[in-house]
Amino acid sequence: KAGVTQTPRYLIKTRGQQVTLSCSPISGHRSVSWYQQTPGQGLQFLFEYFSETQRNKGNFPGRFSGRQFSNSRSEMNVSTLELGDSALYLCASSEQVVSNGNEQFFGPGTRLTVL
Amino acid sequence: AQSVTQLGSHVSVSEGALVLLRCNYSSSVPPYLFWYVQYPNQGLQLLLKYTSAATLVKGINGFEAEFKKSETSFHLTKPSAHMSDAAEYFCAVSESGANSKLTFGKGITLSVRP
Repeated sequence: KAGVTQTPRYLIKTRGQQVTLSCSPISGHRSVSWYQQTPGQGLQFLFEYFSETQRNKGNFPGRFSGRQFSNSRSEMNVSTLELGDSALYLCASSEQVVSNGNEQFFGPGTRLTVL
Repeated sequence: AQSVTQLGSHVSVSEGALVLLRCNYSSSVPPYLFWYVQYPNQGLQLLLKYTSAATLVKGINGFEAEFKKSETSFHLTKPSAHMSDAAEYFCAVSESGANSKLTFGKGITLSVRP
């Protein structure tokens, strides 16, 4: 099976712009989670989608949003970009929701740089 | 609320030496515990996980970890380090329940000296 894919791999934006990142989960996986990784804050949970519904959300402002499509592919959007949004954004998929120790498989990430 | 503490940000060992990466967790319910490894410019790869079965968990690449409830610890070990083990290692915890999510520690960078 192909792994989790994320596009684009690298992105450069300026402050105030918006950005959309895409994630294709492993075939058959219905749960997609998003994480932000920065040197200062480490890995922080953004949100999880399962069967097109957001089932959990981390402590991020409303500028961060996401959605999941019927084929389980997911997108996340960040509006009104700030310098602090520069980070590696990781997507992870699992067969079921993140509970009962279900394993998550991570993509390579999208490196977002905000100038 | 669940949390993970990984003391120190960097560990350096000689090739062939024991690797010990510490992880302590906090959880209000029996936790699920994970160790992930991240190589430069890559995503995270699962090394091993504890899901309330055996307390000694064996993972890939010769790594293992022991769940100690009394110490709230889940330390990662490998008897003999290889140069290829140089990477960043993350301990993570999740709990069962409707709002379950994965909470990561800050990570530890492992360097292996020839």
